[in-house]
Amino acid sequence: AQTVTQSQPEMSVQEAETVTLSCTYDTSESDYYLFWYKQPPSRQMILVIRQEAYKQQNATENRFSVNFQKAAKSFSLKISDSQLGDAAMYFCAQKGGSEKLVFGKGTKLTVNP
Amino acid sequence: EADIYQTPRYLVIGTGKKITLECSQTMGHDKMYWYQQDPGMELHLIHYSYGVNSTEKGDLSSESTVSRIRTEHFPLTLESARPSHTSQYLCASSESGDRSEQYFGPGTRLTVT
Repeated sequence: AQTVTQSQPEMSVQEAETVTLSCTYDTSESDYYLFWYKQPPSRQMILVIRQEAYKQQNATENRFSVNFQKAAKSFSLKISDSQLGDAAMYFCAQKGGSEKLVFGKGTKLTVNP
Repeated sequence: EADIYQTPRYLVIGTGKKITLECSQTMGHDKMYWYQQDPGMELHLIHYSYGVNSTEKGDLSSESTVSRIRTEHFPLTLESARPSHTSQYLCASSESGDRSEQYFGPGTRLTVT
């Protein structure tokens, strides 16, 4: 069975600083996808970044990047130059052959001005 | 934001009532999903559909039922609401394909008194 673990229930960061959110996962599949989703307070959940397991290169989207360590089954999210609008719940998720997403419990990120 | 809509956004209803939560998307996506999310917690898949007339139960047991008569519409029904059904319900859709992201609706926050 697939599992996703986010060990940091809450994190905080100063505006303009960098923060890293941790995620580990477990799967027996060789081909799968990993996602970070952002859920702002009272707003829709949106995709932040996506990583294909077969790609060794870490995905990057503007200020967001991942550190994908396939052997360690680790998939952390780095947010650079944090902004007030980055404050949200962040969910790590995995999708394998079943095409169903399995989510972690989430990390609540607070950005301090 | 994604073209996926949920109504109502908030619903307070008494025990024993029948309710239907609506979900519609205008993106022509074949796949649609219902998740249950308690405040600050992870998402649990309760139903999904891979196309018209296709519905499956998710990983979390739920007393709700769904139907998929039209591609764009995926309503969720509770025949007799109970306080244990109090939660947030998120609808999502995606294109076919392993790397496809899921687009989420704004959610329905249900309170059963």
